[in-house]
Amino acid sequence: SYVLTQPPSVSAAPGETARISCGGSDIGSKSVHWYQHKPGQAPILVVYYDNDRPSGIPERISGSNSGDTATLTITGVEAGDEADYFCQVWDRNTDYRIFGGGTKLTVL
Amino acid sequence: EVQMSESGGGLVQPGGSLRLSCEASGFTFSSYAMTWVRRSPGRGLEWVSTISSNGGITNYADSVKGRFSVSRDNSKNTLYLQMGSLRAEDTAVYYCVKDKVGQQLVRPLEYWGQGTLVTVSA
Repeated sequence: SYVLTQPPSVSAAPGETARISCGGSDIGSKSVHWYQHKPGQAPILVVYYDNDRPSGIPERISGSNSGDTATLTITGVEAGDEADYFCQVWDRNTDYRIFGGGTKLTVL
Repeated sequence: EVQMSESGGGLVQPGGSLRLSCEASGFTFSSYAMTWVRRSPGRGLEWVSTISSNGGITNYADSVKGRFSVSRDNSKNTLYLQMGSLRAEDTAVYYCVKDKVGQQLVRPLEYWGQGTLVTVSA
């Protein structure tokens, strides 16, 4: 089955840029969605179809996808960005939705 | 405002059953596919099941296939998840999610509820 690999943790100081990777075989040929999940809250869609943003998501959050790696980039990191971030794709071979293991973003 | 409100979670013994409900509002429920996703303590998100807008097509993760059943009542704007033969590893917060419009399961999971906790333990 298709596997998505994320680093368990990423850290950045306020104002810096945080990059969260999501690795998968030829993931560049798939559409990647990203979700932010804070403790005790509902997850939020922050990027969809690789690099689109839902209304209300700031422009400093962006996505890219090529080759074997998709990346979520957060520029000008703020304390409120501290959360778990998950990438997700659809595997057409199994007709399953697959999530990455998640990355905890810590704001220093 | 799109809202989903899950209910029905609780403590259940291994082998037991439970039915989760999700009341949706703020959108035309009958026009959208709906999904259940869970998050176990200390673990990541896991897709559980998706049902098409009219209920005619259902998809399940291997981990729940044959034990869980998803359904919906469009007249009541309500989504259900009937869970049976529950195991300790089914312990999780279960989220009700509205799919974004689109074809097949490539579409993103647009709006999430707050979730309901299911604990499977003796």
